[in-house]
Amino acid sequence: GIQVEQSPPDLILQEGANSTLRCNFSDSVNNLQWFHQNPWGQLINLFYIPSGTKQNGRLSATTVATERYSLLYISSSQTTDSGVYFCAVIKAAGNKLTFGGGTRVLVKP
Amino acid sequence: DAEITQSPRHKITETGRQVTLACHQTWNHNNMFWYRQDLGHGLRLIHYSYGVHDTNKGEVSDGYSVSRSNTEDLPLTLESAASSQTSVYFCASSEYRTGEAFFGQGTRLTVV
Repeated sequence: GIQVEQSPPDLILQEGANSTLRCNFSDSVNNLQWFHQNPWGQLINLFYIPSGTKQNGRLSATTVATERYSLLYISSSQTTDSGVYFCAVIKAAGNKLTFGGGTRVLVKP
Repeated sequence: DAEITQSPRHKITETGRQVTLACHQTWNHNNMFWYRQDLGHGLRLIHYSYGVHDTNKGEVSDGYSVSRSNTEDLPLTLESAASSQTSVYFCASSEYRTGEAFFGQGTRLTVV
């Protein structure tokens, strides 16, 4: 099956810093999503981004499907950005999501 | 607003008991999924359904079953709960065409 790898596994940031999270996948995909799991365990949809670039406030994401990677950018980080960020992909329409291992982010005040 | 809800949010049960976790979505999505999340393993797929009366096994299906009698609900049953099934369980639904998925709040299950 398709492999999804995220890096780095852990990230510690000072409040106000910028960061980039990476997601590599082993095959072509039909769908790619970024999720944020907050400290209470909820999985929050950040981006549905099979290709191209999207922005939502301080967060933005870029997927380069031909090179099989996606990047999530966090700018001016805040303590509320802490949690685990997951990348998940679907290889073909209608299929189930395959998750990466996540990047654990801690933003210190 | 459309949503996906799970119940209960927390449950403690004894080894050997049958347990059912509920999942209800109002997105009118055909696809529904159950995942479990454990430290060191990320999210792993248990069972999934592409429509009414359709069910499929995921990568960690042993000891679990699902049934799909309508579009909105996909209950997950643990036939005889084991301590290894202590975990956080997430239900999700997605639109068939895009595959964009939405998750419930999760159910924390402890088997003692």
